[in-house]
Amino acid sequence: GDSVTQMEGPVTLSEEAFLTINCTYTATGYPSLFWYVQYPGEGLQLLLKATKADDKGSNKGFEATYRKETTSFHLEKGSVQVSDSAVYFCALYSGGYQKVTFGTGTKLQVIP
Amino acid sequence: GAVVSQHPSWVICKSGTSVKIECRSLDFQATTMFWYRQFPKQSLMLMATSNEGSKATYEQGVEKDKFLINHASLTLSTLTVTSAHPEDSSFYICSARTSGILNEQFFGPGTRLTVL
Repeated sequence: GDSVTQMEGPVTLSEEAFLTINCTYTATGYPSLFWYVQYPGEGLQLLLKATKADDKGSNKGFEATYRKETTSFHLEKGSVQVSDSAVYFCALYSGGYQKVTFGTGTKLQVIP
Repeated sequence: GAVVSQHPSWVICKSGTSVKIECRSLDFQATTMFWYRQFPKQSLMLMATSNEGSKATYEQGVEKDKFLINHASLTLSTLTVTSAHPEDSSFYICSARTSGILNEQFFGPGTRLTVL
C-alpha cells in the first residue's frame, strides 16, 4: 500500500537557519504530494502541493519539488522564523484523491 | 474560500456520556467528509468516510456503534462519541471535499475531547 516516511523530529533551529524536512513515499500510480502545517491546538493547513513529477510547490518561503526518480518531496526554507514553529506533515493523495496517506509529522522548533 | 469549521473546539465530559461534534463546510458543498483522530505527537488516523445521504464507511478497527457519523446535508457532518471513556480522549479532526477528481480535502480546526 501507499506510505509516507518523514524524518523524525523534533528539529530545532536558530532563527534564519536553513530548513530541510525530508519526505519520501511509496505509491502506485501517479500520486499528488502535499505538505500541511499544524500549529499547536489547531487543525491542518495546506502549505503547498505538487501534482506531478518535477513540479515545485511553494508558499510563504517554503518550497518542495516532486522528485519521481527519488520518490521524494523534501520541504525547504531558506530562512526560518520563530513563527514557523509547528508540526509539518507530508501527505500523499492517490486513487483520484480518494485516499490520503499522512506521514508521522515532524515538529519544528525555531529559537530566537 | 474552502473553509471548514468544527464545533465545539474543545469539550470535557464525564465517562459514560455522549458527545456530539459538528463539522461544517462554510462556503462549499461537501459531498464527502472525513473524520480523523490524532493522538498526542502522532499523525492523523482516518476513522471513517461519509458521503452525503449514505452510511459512513469505517476504517478497520473503528467501532461504528461507538462513533456514530451522520452526514445529513452537503454542509454538515456530525460525529457522536457514545458512552465516552477516558481512552476516547483525543483530538478529532474533520475534513471535507467536493465531488470530482483532484479535489483535495480541506481540514477543520479540530476538537479536543477530554473524558474524565
